[in-house]
Amino acid sequence: DTGVSQDPRHKITKRGQNVTFRCDPISEHNRLYWYRQTLGQGPEFLTYFQNEAQLEKSRLLSDRFSAERPKGSFSTLEIQRTEQGDSAMYLCASEGYSATATQYFGPGTRLTVL
Amino acid sequence: AQSVTQPDIHITVSEGASLELRCNYSYGATPYLFWYVQSPGQGLQLLLKYFSGDTLVQGIKGFEAEFKRSQSSFNLRKPSVHWSDAAEYFCAVGPSWTNAGKSTFGDGTTLTVKP
Repeated sequence: DTGVSQDPRHKITKRGQNVTFRCDPISEHNRLYWYRQTLGQGPEFLTYFQNEAQLEKSRLLSDRFSAERPKGSFSTLEIQRTEQGDSAMYLCASEGYSATATQYFGPGTRLTVL
Repeated sequence: AQSVTQPDIHITVSEGASLELRCNYSYGATPYLFWYVQSPGQGLQLLLKYFSGDTLVQGIKGFEAEFKRSQSSFNLRKPSVHWSDAAEYFCAVGPSWTNAGKSTFGDGTTLTVKP
């Protein structure tokens, strides 16, 4: 168990640019979640996958956001035409099969849009 | 819709003193409740969780929490705080049908520990 990893840890971009983040979950976990956390607030659910299927997307996830998990392993979150309001910490979490499973969070990717 | 309220934005306690962080939730069915801790630059770490059974739950690092259905509360406690406990603490509620997924988090309580 090497934990959940995220890459990059920090990203600074200019408004209008596209960015992509990667999340590598714990290897045997079938569920993967993306959250966004802004300063002074708790994480907000964005979307989640069970294996490669994206089962739900929050209304927070505008058309500029897209997430994939092509082989049911790692996942990517892409933001197109970034806006200053996208500046936040993007957290990934994974969860196993157990009926009382627990989410394990990665360290997050901090995005700053200038 | 589910929601979580953490009434205290910031709490300061002296090292060795007891701690209680408050959490109130709103959820129609039996909730799945969690407490997480987040240190600067770190991801969230689960301290403890409540799904059913004994309403007093023991967690890691000496923390415990008590589920009180009548008060819709799930307060976190520690009898003696250590300087390393300084961090941000989040309470969360998850829908019962999907375990920990799609959790709704409170806005957190920042704990400062005085020497």
